[in-house]
Amino acid sequence: GAVVSQHPSRVICKSGTSVKIECRSLDFQATTMFWYRQFPKQSLMLMATSNEGSKATYEQGVEKDKFLINHASLTLSTLTVTSAHPEDSSFYICSARPDYGYTFGSGTRLTVV
Amino acid sequence: SQQGEEDPQALSIQEGENATMNCSYKTSINNLQWYRQNSGRGLVHLILIRSNEREKHSGRLRVTLDTSKKSSSLLITASRAADTASYFCAPSGGSYIPTFGRGTSLIVHP
Repeated sequence: GAVVSQHPSRVICKSGTSVKIECRSLDFQATTMFWYRQFPKQSLMLMATSNEGSKATYEQGVEKDKFLINHASLTLSTLTVTSAHPEDSSFYICSARPDYGYTFGSGTRLTVV
Repeated sequence: SQQGEEDPQALSIQEGENATMNCSYKTSINNLQWYRQNSGRGLVHLILIRSNEREKHSGRLRVTLDTSKKSSSLLITASRAADTASYFCAPSGGSYIPTFGRGTSLIVHP
């Protein structure tokens, strides 16, 4: 079946630094990928839709300058959390759509100290 | 976007009992997926049911779909402590992007 690989699974960074999270579709091409964020014991909130070769579409309330999304190829989307702060600590999950539905990565636990 | 809402929010049962959780949605769908999330982990795909299917089985899982009521249910039979997790439904239709409710938090006591 379709697989989405997300890396890294865990990252700890210092406040003020930037962190890049990668999301790859392993056996299918994904012109569109989706990024979610989940706070402890909360739902997954859609942050943005990543479009190959064009700008990402951000959900209301999500700072596009803080969460930079690049979808440079049909199999790779990256989310960069810039100038990270402790409040950005969260669980980030990407998703892509093969031909029948949505497949999710295993998530990245970001801790900003 | 298409959002699924899971019910109940929390479910606590004994090992060996069955667990039933429900999902409601608001617009037409092509398919609906159920996911499991263990604490602090990513989503694990459990089962997909298409809009023209009414019931689907996978091991101890049974999923039903009633498109007239815009609802789905997930039944876990003979539950085990390892089934303890949060369960989310993800309706999907056309270009709709699945969004999630708070999920059902299932605790199975050994």
